[in-house]
Amino acid sequence: QVQLVQSGSELKNPGASVKVSCKASGYTFTSYAMNWVRQAPGHGLEWMGWINTNTGNPTYAQGFTGRFVFSLDTSVSTAYLQISSLKAEDTAVYYCAREVNYGSGRNWFDPWGQGTLVTVSS
Amino acid sequence: QSVLTQPPSVSAAPGQKVTISCSGSSSNIGNNYVSWYQQLPGTAPKLLIYENNKRPSGIPDRFSGSKSGTSATLGITGLQTGDEADYYCGTWDSSLSAGRVFGGGTKLTVL
Repeated sequence: QVQLVQSGSELKNPGASVKVSCKASGYTFTSYAMNWVRQAPGHGLEWMGWINTNTGNPTYAQGFTGRFVFSLDTSVSTAYLQISSLKAEDTAVYYCAREVNYGSGRNWFDPWGQGTLVTVSS
Repeated sequence: QSVLTQPPSVSAAPGQKVTISCSGSSSNIGNNYVSWYQQLPGTAPKLLIYENNKRPSGIPDRFSGSKSGTSATLGITGLQTGDEADYYCGTWDSSLSAGRVFGGGTKLTVL
C-alpha cells in the first residue's frame, strides 16, 4: 500500500540543525510531488512548500525561506527536510504529504506521513 | 491567520448531522477544487474529500463535500463519537503568494 514513513522525534538545542526523513513506498516516487506541512503545538496546518521529485527543484512558502531546505534521495525513495539555526518557535510536528495533482486546480494530499516532532529547547 | 476561514468549533449529538464551512476568495476556492482532511487526536491528517465532493476508497458516505462560489462545506451525517477530530479544508491559491493553503481547522465535538 502507498505509505510515507518519517523519522523519529528529535530534541535539539537552539542554533542546531535537524534533518527529517520521509521514506515512500508502494508507488513510483518520482511520479508525485512531495509537500511539507508544519503543525505547531495547538495550532493548525501550515504549508511549508514542495519539492519536484523529478527535477529536485524545491519551492518554499513565504516564511520558510533561508533556514529550510528540501532535498531528495531518489535511489531510496526518500525526501528530506533540513532546518538550520533552530529556534524555539520551530518546535512543531512536521509532516510530509504526497501530492496528487491532475492540473487545473485538481490537487490534494494523500497519504501523509505519521509526523515528526521536533522540539527545540535548551 | 489562515487564508481560508473555518469556524473554530462545532458540536452535535451522536446520530445528528453537522456541517463545517470553509470560506475563501476567487484566488483560491473560487477557481480551484477543495479537499478536506480529518485529523483524529494525536494522529496525522487523513484525506476525507477531494475535488470538492469525491470520497477516497474507504471513506463512508456519511461524509460529503460541496462547493458554491468561494465557499465549501463538509457535511457529516449519523455522527459517531469516533468522528471527534479536527477538520481542515485545503486548496490551491493562485495569488502572488501562490501555493497550497489550509483553513484554520474546526474541532468537532460529538456530545
